[in-house]
Amino acid sequence: QQQVKQSPQSLIVQKGGISIINCAYENTAFDYFPWYQQFPGKGPALLIAIRPDVSEKKEGRFTISFNKSAKQFSLHIMDSQPGDSATYFCAASNPRTASKLTFGTGTRLQVTL
Amino acid sequence: NAGVTQTPKFRVLKTGQSMTLLCAQDMNHEYMYWYRQDPGMGLRLIHYSVGEGTTAKGEVPDGYNVSRLKKQNFLLGLESAAPSQTSVYFCASRGEMTEAFFGQGTRLTVV
Repeated sequence: QQQVKQSPQSLIVQKGGISIINCAYENTAFDYFPWYQQFPGKGPALLIAIRPDVSEKKEGRFTISFNKSAKQFSLHIMDSQPGDSATYFCAASNPRTASKLTFGTGTRLQVTL
Repeated sequence: NAGVTQTPKFRVLKTGQSMTLLCAQDMNHEYMYWYRQDPGMGLRLIHYSVGEGTTAKGEVPDGYNVSRLKKQNFLLGLESAAPSQTSVYFCASRGEMTEAFFGQGTRLTVV
């Protein structure tokens, strides 16, 4: 039972391009939607997060778009750089269940020169 | 500020051996979690704790046990390791209104 579905599995983007990763969720009790960035050999680190009371959140080159009615959210990386090459995970949590994070399966992003 | 520290970073076990993974956090967080990460499957929750002395099962608890005797420590035990438990294990901690912080991971191979 995959409560958070993430796509694509892998993504190759040229430097300066826009990277877009999509996630869909099923549980309407989720109220916190973070994106994590993970470099090889490291633990995931929070990149940006959103709550369902807003439809978009922007931090530098990273933007989350949130569509509550469609139960979808996406990460946009503008002006993608080689240093953005990493694996990205979307996640969702429900405060009624100890705020456990349920993760998507991950997207491996490669930004080429 | 160490954050979340996992010990050990790497381990090779033989089938049937036991071991304990240690997670320590210095942020006074109430919630602690153990995840396993496998290719193509994201991070799956094994067990979690909502406070000292409490533990609960996550999505994939079979073959693992946990204990949280002290607030800052969360131990993950494998009583009889199996090759299917070969994975990268991550510990995370979180406060009431804070983000989750992850450790660096433990790469476990069971042969």
